[in-house]
Amino acid sequence: GAGVSQTPSNKVTEKGKYVELRCDPISGHTALYWYRQSLGQGPEFLIYFQGTGAADDSGLPNDRFFAVRPEGSVSTLKIQRTERGDSAVYLCASSLTYGISSGANVLTFGAGSRLTVL
Amino acid sequence: DAKTTQPPSMDCAEGRAANLPCNHSTISGNEYVYWYRQIHSQGPQYIIHGLKNNETNEMASLIITEDRKSSTLILPHATLRDTAVYYCIVRVGGAAGNKLTFGGGTRVLVKP
Repeated sequence: GAGVSQTPSNKVTEKGKYVELRCDPISGHTALYWYRQSLGQGPEFLIYFQGTGAADDSGLPNDRFFAVRPEGSVSTLKIQRTERGDSAVYLCASSLTYGISSGANVLTFGAGSRLTVL
Repeated sequence: DAKTTQPPSMDCAEGRAANLPCNHSTISGNEYVYWYRQIHSQGPQYIIHGLKNNETNEMASLIITEDRKSSTLILPHATLRDTAVYYCIVRVGGAAGNKLTFGGGTRVLVKP
């Protein structure tokens, strides 16, 4: 597609429930990133994929958070046993090239999925 | 990645140039300076990046000091649509350079 698409745009759930957030990256982009943004803060890195594999998952806060990208395109961020503190905007980004020396690895972000845990 | 320091907020007048400073005194020789901005309710948007030389594109200019310890993003003719949070990020090139680390950014308000 023309941009990075994230669904749903808004999700309200109850504490303890399971949530899935989907990201459809720009066609042909090999790298995909997930970030989380709390109100008034900058985006916080969670995980990124190169192809199908998670190249860096150091930002995932705990084992309730998991992400997959089985075919190297669409990715799903999965949150188990949601807590009120998980409420945030979850941003997905993709980029064309993985780690080129020129530094011109520009990330294109989606509009985000706003998660509210009641 | 090196840490950056930006003022938390600034105002500028519509039609005037907006100069956004960023300090990155611990920047390494292989780290690039990137600028992104985030308009309300949208994802961050890439603006420009540079290593040593000054850069210009259709959105902005990036001025990097000779010692590379600071930089300035210049929006030449600010419009109301430029109201956003602007993030200055330093980031290595190569295989290690994929993870952007955002700070708090500068909240820019363009006033009529």
